[in-house]
Amino acid sequence: TQLLEQSPQFLSIQEGENLTVYCNSSSVFSSLQWYRQEPGEGPVLLVTVVTGGEVKKLKRLTFQFGDARKDSSLHITAAQTGDTGLYLCAGARGNTGKLIFGQGTTLQVKP
Amino acid sequence: DVKVTQSSRYLVKRTGEKVFLECVQDMDHENMFWYRQDPGLGLRLIYFSYDVKMKEKGDIPEGYSVSREKKERFSLILESASTNQTSMYLCASSFPGQGYSNQPQHFGDGTRLSIL
Repeated sequence: TQLLEQSPQFLSIQEGENLTVYCNSSSVFSSLQWYRQEPGEGPVLLVTVVTGGEVKKLKRLTFQFGDARKDSSLHITAAQTGDTGLYLCAGARGNTGKLIFGQGTTLQVKP
Repeated sequence: DVKVTQSSRYLVKRTGEKVFLECVQDMDHENMFWYRQDPGLGLRLIYFSYDVKMKEKGDIPEGYSVSREKKERFSLILESASTNQTSMYLCASSFPGQGYSNQPQHFGDGTRLSIL
């Protein structure tokens, strides 16, 4: 069974701090997606990483896919209150169109 | 913009009732999904449909069924609701497209279902 372990599950930081969220598995994924979910809404895609070792930047967010395509990280620089939300990583299950989701990381950024 | 619309934001039902959750998407996506979301467990796939009248069980299909009579609509049915089905239910859709695994899923805003 493919599993994705996300850590930490909860993170409460002050505005301006940096943070990293990790997504780990013993399985290889063909690609990995990161979503953010705000209260009362569905998850929204942030990024897809496909190639082992790939790094993608989205303003203050940096996403990395491990060389072996088993793990990924999300780093936020100088967090803002608007970054508050639930962050979910999701690994593609081959070419089925289906995803397996991590448990999620709840981020609270305090002013 | 892709729009995935779930028929209810909040729903309260009683144990034993048959419950229907409806989802409509406007982007002509082939794939549609039903998930439940519980704290600390992430999103778990209940059922998946890759075409009209086609369905596939996900990881937790027990107690649920689905219907896809039209491409844009995917319904989740709780045959006889139980309290352990109290949860947030999320519908999503996507293209299979080229390189199926890379297509993003577009989510509705969820239905918070309480079974009393």
